[in-house]
Amino acid sequence: AQTVTQSQPEMSVQEAETVTLSCTYDTSESDYYLFWYKQPPSRQMILVIRQEAYKQQNATENRFSVNFQKAAKSFSLKISDSQLGDAAMYFCAYMDDTDKLIFGTGTRLQVFP
Amino acid sequence: NAGVTQTPKFRILKIGQSMTLQCAQDMNHNYMYWYRQDPGMGLKLIYYSVGAGITDKGEVPNGYNVSRSTTEDFPLRLELAAPSQTSVYFCASISREAGTEAFFGQGTRLTVV
Repeated sequence: AQTVTQSQPEMSVQEAETVTLSCTYDTSESDYYLFWYKQPPSRQMILVIRQEAYKQQNATENRFSVNFQKAAKSFSLKISDSQLGDAAMYFCAYMDDTDKLIFGTGTRLQVFP
Repeated sequence: NAGVTQTPKFRILKIGQSMTLQCAQDMNHNYMYWYRQDPGMGLKLIYYSVGAGITDKGEVPNGYNVSRSTTEDFPLRLELAAPSQTSVYFCASISREAGTEAFFGQGTRLTVV
């Protein structure tokens, strides 16, 4: 079965600095999607960034970028120029042709002024 | 366009009672999901559906049932509620054709006492 592992329960970063959140996954599939979702205290789930496994180029959305290492089954999220509003839980997620959308356990990001 | 609507937002159940959590989406998405999120934890997949009349078990289906008679609605039934089912429940929908972004409801906070 596919699994998603986030080994950092908590991370902290200073405002304007850069932080990287880690995610690894296990699958035998070759085609799949990977996601990072943000959950602020409001509990709303917000898509941050998405990567399709067949695309070798790393996805980027403004201050958010990923380092996708398919062979290593690694999918880390880099947040540049961190802002106070980035403080939230961040979840890594995986989806393939089985149509299950599976989440990791999350990383709580604190941003200090 | 309301997106994904969950009702109720809060509920307290007594042990052994039953209830149905409602989920409706107006985006004509085929894929719908139910998750539970325990405090400080990630989202665990309970059940999912890839279309009307089709449902399948996720990671933690025991104690729950679902049905999908229409594209719009995906109710989650709790039979014989137990304290272990105290959690926040999220419903989500996806359109694979439109890019796989999951749209989430606001969640239902359920307490079983």
